[in-house]
Amino acid sequence: DVKVTQSSRYLVKRTGEKVFLECVQDMDHENMFWYRQDPGLGLRLIYFSYDVKMKEKGDIPEGYSVSREKKERFSLILESASTNQTSMYLCASSIPGQFNEKLFFGSGTQLSVL
Amino acid sequence: GQQLNQSPQSMFIQEGEDVSMNCTSSSIFNTWLWYKQDPGEGPVLLIALYKAGELTSNGRLTAQFGTTRKDSFLNISASIPSDVGIYFCAGEPPAGGTSYGKLTFGQGTILTVHP
Repeated sequence: DVKVTQSSRYLVKRTGEKVFLECVQDMDHENMFWYRQDPGLGLRLIYFSYDVKMKEKGDIPEGYSVSREKKERFSLILESASTNQTSMYLCASSIPGQFNEKLFFGSGTQLSVL
Repeated sequence: GQQLNQSPQSMFIQEGEDVSMNCTSSSIFNTWLWYKQDPGEGPVLLIALYKAGELTSNGRLTAQFGTTRKDSFLNISASIPSDVGIYFCAGEPPAGGTSYGKLTFGQGTILTVHP
């Protein structure tokens, strides 16, 4: 089975802190994604990556950056955390192809910014 | 980006009842997907639909790709307590647009099943 592991289940940070959310997948997938999940808004794509050192903005990239130095690892960075970034963050990976539907999600990181 | 409107937002039902939920969009999609998220977990794919008018079943779940390519429906028959969770629809836009390859998710339907 594909396993997507997010390093923290819960995080509490202070406003202005630099925050790193780590994600590792063990199935050699080229594609990796970061979503945030908020009640009533569903999942919104922050950034994605189709290859090592490659990144593309999703629908809500403001206030975030990403790093993909190795194929299996995709990091989400909050340069200066703000309270409106309190959310559930979900990492996902998939095999490239005509359809991107085979998304495998991690269990999520619930981030609280105080 | 493109918007998906998913309804209802939440449902409270008795065990054994049938459930229906749907997603609509102002834009067409090439693929419609339905995911379920159990409490404390990430979403897991339930059903994928690839052609307009397609009807697909997975156990007690049945989903349909609308003929206009702008909507999709998910039905759950004879609900059981483990059906509890959040159900998301998602769509993949046609090739050639700036959103190709990126899924758009609905807002989610929170399902509660009372024993």
